[in-house]
Amino acid sequence: AQTVTQSQPEMSVQEAETVTLSCTYDTSESDYYLFWYKQPPSRQMILVIRQEAYKQQNATENRFSVNFQKAAKSFSLKISDSQLGDAAMYFCAYRSNSGGGADGLTFGKGTHLIIQP
Amino acid sequence: KAGVTQTPRYLIKTRGQQVTLSCSPISGHRSVSWYQQTPGQGLQFLFEYFSETQRNKGNFPGRFSGRQFSNSRSEMNVSTLELGDSALYLCASSGRGKALDTQYFGPGTRLTVL
Repeated sequence: AQTVTQSQPEMSVQEAETVTLSCTYDTSESDYYLFWYKQPPSRQMILVIRQEAYKQQNATENRFSVNFQKAAKSFSLKISDSQLGDAAMYFCAYRSNSGGGADGLTFGKGTHLIIQP
Repeated sequence: KAGVTQTPRYLIKTRGQQVTLSCSPISGHRSVSWYQQTPGQGLQFLFEYFSETQRNKGNFPGRFSGRQFSNSRSEMNVSTLELGDSALYLCASSGRGKALDTQYFGPGTRLTVL
């Protein structure tokens, strides 16, 4: 079974600074997807960024980018120019593609990101 | 495009009762997945439906069941509720082809079991 580990329960960053959230995963598969989701106090789970394992290029979405290291099974999220609205729980998630996409997401425990004004 | 909707948003039940939660996916999406979120266990996969068929199921007891209708709307049912079933239940939908891998979540149903 796949596992996802987020080793930082909580991170704090000053507004406008850059912060990196860590995520490692364990899998024996080669075809999979990785995601970062954000869950603000409203509890609505919002997709931040998506990475396909067979793509070497790191995904980026505006101020959000990832550092995907497939051999090391590492998938960190970098948030540049942090804003107050970025404050939330951030979840790293894995989804296998070996079952034709039938597998659910496996989530990490989450990192609580605090933005200091 | 409207997002995933879930009803009801909040629910209070007592032990032993049963409950049905509903989820309407994004228009055009045919896959619906359900997750349970608790402070202790985090986010756990319940099951996934595609074209009215359950394709995968997580490690939950048989008290948890679901179904999907021809319009892709899905319901999940929990029978004989236990205190430990108190949780946020999240529904997610995904679309066709390349987009099938990406799940978009609804706002959740907060279930409290007394």
